[in-house]
Amino acid sequence: NAGVTQTPKFQVLKTGQSMTLQCAQDMNHEYMSWYRQDPGMGLRLIHYSVGAGITDQGEVPNGYNVSRSTTEDFPLRLLSAAPSQTSVYFCASSYSIPGAYKNIQYFGAGTRLSVL
Amino acid sequence: ILNVEQSPQSLHVQEGDSTNFTCSFPSSNFYALHWYRWETAKSPEALFVMTLNGDEKKKGRISATLNTKEGYSYLYIKGSQPEDSATYLCAPSLGGYKLSFGAGTTVTVRA
Repeated sequence: NAGVTQTPKFQVLKTGQSMTLQCAQDMNHEYMSWYRQDPGMGLRLIHYSVGAGITDQGEVPNGYNVSRSTTEDFPLRLLSAAPSQTSVYFCASSYSIPGAYKNIQYFGAGTRLSVL
Repeated sequence: ILNVEQSPQSLHVQEGDSTNFTCSFPSSNFYALHWYRWETAKSPEALFVMTLNGDEKKKGRISATLNTKEGYSYLYIKGSQPEDSATYLCAPSLGGYKLSFGAGTTVTVRA
């Protein structure tokens, strides 16, 4: 009963490096999203996807890239890491039944990223 | 993006005491309000989704009320226990799947 799996749990990068945060879900959810969580702030939406092949920008998309080639996977790419991207990143997924605004989101355990 | 305010930012409660805190959000174009509970080193987990004005939801010792006309929701914890220590996040829906999260209220229950 895996749910939403994120890897890695921790990562340290140097400024300018690129990397991919992995997210996979085994619940056949259509909707997947990436958030970042910074001290004193709520979860902020980076990118989201409503199905394979469909992605869109959230509130803070700059510096991040996503793709959705399968229903299960939704990787987040940092193109050229900056210290401002030091944060905790959460992936979430949700059912896609009518009345989407009522559908609860299931979160992964998070990836703690430090950019030096 | 919605302006979502949660207050207080943090609170300390003695074991056995009851407490409550607030989530304020714009009352226009309301779809639903989500409450999530986030324990340290774990993933946020859904508590409630509320859609109708006057809604009341209950899960064990935790309950929530909703006022969509004035744009607020209260979350109550009755007889707090150490395991209730967590950050409680509210998130009104933007319509569709997108949520706008508040910064949370961190509850610490002292034994």
